[in-house]
Parts: sequence; C-alpha cells; structure tokens
Amino acid sequence: GAGVSQSPRYKVTKRGQDVALRCDPISGHVSLYWYRQALGQGPEFLTYFNYEAQQDKSGLPNDRFSAERPEGSISTLTIQRTEQRDSAMYRCASSLEGGAYYNEQFFGPGTRLTVL
Amino acid sequence: AQKITQTQPGMFVQEKEAVTLDCTYDTSDQSYGLFWYKQPSSGEMIFLIYQGSYDEQNATEGRYSLNFQKARKSANLVISASQLGDSAMYFCAIRSNFGNEKLTFGTGTRLTIIP
Repeated sequence: GAGVSQSPRYKVTKRGQDVALRCDPISGHVSLYWYRQALGQGPEFLTYFNYEAQQDKSGLPNDRFSAERPEGSISTLTIQRTEQRDSAMYRCASSLEGGAYYNEQFFGPGTRLTVL
Repeated sequence: AQKITQTQPGMFVQEKEAVTLDCTYDTSDQSYGLFWYKQPSSGEMIFLIYQGSYDEQNATEGRYSLNFQKARKSANLVISASQLGDSAMYFCAIRSNFGNEKLTFGTGTRLTIIP
C-alpha cells in the first residue's frame, strides 16, 4: 500500500514568505507527527495529532509555526514569515494508534525547505 | 524529559563483520519504548527494531538485534554479518508509553561498510 507522502519534496522560498507543507498519512492511521531534521542531526519533534485533535505542540519553535489536520487525515504545517534558520528537512510520520505500547511511526520522504 | 546519547559519530566496519552501535538513554518514565531507525543516503527513515522497557527478551529482527541493558540504560543495536547496503545513518530513539507519544532521537551514527 501507499506510504506517507509529503509535498512538495523541495521548497525554496525567500525570507519573509509563508510556506505550507503537506502530509498525507497512511490510510487509516490515527496519529500524525511532524518533525524537523537539521543536517547531520536526528529529527526533532514539532507537534502531533490524534485524529483531528492537536495533542501536543510543545515542539513548535515559535508562533510563526502552526499545524492543522481538520478532517483527521491530511495535515498542513504552515510557517509564516520564514527566516533562514527555518531551513531544514521537515518530516511527517503516521502511526496506527497513538498510545499503544508498540507503535511504529512510518516516516514520509520529507520536504526540504530552503529559505534564502 | 527524555534524552538519547549516541557517542559514535562515525564507524567503519569491514563487510561481513558484526557491528555494535551504542545508544544510552535517560528517562524518568517507568514504561517506555526504544526504537532504531536507519537513514540511507536517499534520506528515507526506515524502522529497524523496537524494544519495550518491560520486555524480558532482547528484541531481534533478522540480522538486527538489540542489546538491552535496562540497569545501565543502554540499548545498543547489533548488526550481524554486515553488508554494503548497511552503510547509512542510524538513529536511536525513545518514546514514553504514556502521555506524549513523540519520539526523541539521538544525533545518530554514520556507519560505513568497507568491502
């Protein structure tokens, strides 16, 4: 079956512009996570959803970052007034059911964001 | 708060040899899970193996096994009979089994298999 998909795969934008990154999770997956990965580092948690409810947004760096999952499926991560320090790989992951003891997160290919 | 420490930034191993990638963790949770992911140069994140904190047996998945030492808070990944395709970044991660379900990752180990 289809895995987690993300679009666009690459995004180059100018400082100050807004960007919207999309994640399409595996069908039927309840939980959806956003991570950010800097070059040479491990992914860092940003936020996650169970169905349409945002359960934790403690990893969002500041109020320029927001995320939504209005129908409990596709999610959008929005960065307003982008800055050069926002440049990174943004990864989405989904899992069958949050809270289960063994709950593998399946990662998407990521969106490489470059802010000029 | 949870933390993962991977002290080996890079490793070079001869093909067909076994390799151990180190991972130590810190958590105040009683129930948690430990995960290993592989990230090849293509950039994808591939799940390898999982160990629950209450699992009595060390996890194994094919050529991958996890040397779990709870008292020492370590969860080392062992790859037996390494292959050229094992060359990649390897990340150890921890997740609480209650409450927040986020994965906390280490900084990774870059493994290079030498033919």
